[in-house]
Amino acid sequence: EVQLVESGGGLVQPGGSLRLSCAASGFTFSNHWMTWVRQAPGKGLEWVANIKQDGNEKYSVDSVKGRFTISRDNAKNSLYLQMNSLRVEDTAVYYCARAIRTTVTIFDYWGQGTLVTVSS
Amino acid sequence: EIVMTQSPATLSVSPGERATLSCRASQSVSSNLAWYQQKPGQAPRLLIFGASTRATGIPVRFSGSGSGTEFTLTISSLQSEDFAVYYCQQYNNWPPLTFGGGTKVEIK
Repeated sequence: EVQLVESGGGLVQPGGSLRLSCAASGFTFSNHWMTWVRQAPGKGLEWVANIKQDGNEKYSVDSVKGRFTISRDNAKNSLYLQMNSLRVEDTAVYYCARAIRTTVTIFDYWGQGTLVTVSS
Repeated sequence: EIVMTQSPATLSVSPGERATLSCRASQSVSSNLAWYQQKPGQAPRLLIFGASTRATGIPVRFSGSGSGTEFTLTISSLQSEDFAVYYCQQYNNWPPLTFGGGTKVEIK
């Protein structure tokens, strides 16, 4: 059974940092592009970043460039999101999701999400 | 950036009726469009990709159509478990990948 389990969320002050993790199981992690999508409270979905199977290609939305870094460790079946210089508007549930193997950008499995709250 | 606009924002439908949800792209996305369902407190679930291909395990009452800038998700006969928020997502021109604002399907 495919499982994605996020962790690392919490309350942080503006300007602070957090590192989110996503533990994958039930599939060959190294065969799939992976992504982070966030959802602010009561709002819609926003794509944050994605990363190629070998970690050598990464893309992100402009609003997080220079602040967030996506990475992965295929040996540990884990996806990460390092978030620095956090802003109030980064408050959201952060989901990790798997892309269908033959695609980059269609997400067939999602974790349950981890809540990040940026507030003083 | 391609802007995805969904309408209506809320759709009130009786169980057993048909629901028709719309998604419009600010420029052509060919058939590179997906639909997701999200229930309260849950992660999104992939329903449709390639504008009209049902994902694994998705009931046949869900169908997608359209290409270019205009897309439709149809639920032929609404079941109680279908009341949720539905999002479209384009993946033709990225980054960034973009989602519509969502359509909430509620019980009439």
